[in-house]
Amino acid sequence: DQQVKQNSPSLSVQEGRISILNCDYTNSMFDYFLWYKKYPAEGPTFLISISSIKDKNEDGRFTVFLNKSAKHLSQHIVPSQPGDSAVYFCAASATHSPGGGADGLTFGKGTHLIIQP
Amino acid sequence: ETGVTQTPRHLVMGMTNKKSLKCEQHLGHNAMYWYKQSAKKPLELMFVYNFKEQTENNSVPSRFSPECPNSSHLFLHLHTLQPEDSALYLCASSQVGLPLHFGNGTRLTVT
Repeated sequence: DQQVKQNSPSLSVQEGRISILNCDYTNSMFDYFLWYKKYPAEGPTFLISISSIKDKNEDGRFTVFLNKSAKHLSQHIVPSQPGDSAVYFCAASATHSPGGGADGLTFGKGTHLIIQP
Repeated sequence: ETGVTQTPRHLVMGMTNKKSLKCEQHLGHNAMYWYKQSAKKPLELMFVYNFKEQTENNSVPSRFSPECPNSSHLFLHLHTLQPEDSALYLCASSQVGLPLHFGNGTRLTVT
């Protein structure tokens, strides 16, 4: 049973527009959420995170929103750029640690974002 | 340079072979992890080592055997694997309060 779900395997967005990546979770014990970005032939790289005590975190073009009551989070990228084309993974931790501690992180399947020129 | 180096990048092995994957982290982190990424599946946690002590074995078959000789090095010993074990194996490290930092992975093909 998947505890972190990314229901869109792929998303195509025009350059300059907003990209919205969605993630749902089922485990109410999750208290820290992260987004990772992965290019082909490379490992995932950390992008942005949010603690469950917040509902928004912003870092430049990237903003993550958390709706705890709906167990839903999203990442907004604006404006989208060609270099943003990658697979984006949503991840969650139940140990209030961005590393996941002894339990590691629980990941979704990823969403392949394609930025069209 | 990611700070976490994995070798080899690609590995093809037969079902009767024995091979090892190596991971080295240059970040001074105290925890190291093995994750498996199969096609169309989420990254799955396999093993966790904290200060060289194994703290998690996520129901991984015994044909996968981890080894952590010190806080900078992590190995995954493989023997009598099955074709369904073909996947991308990712090593990661972390420190308290910091996100997981991944290597570039080893693409394993079992024939």
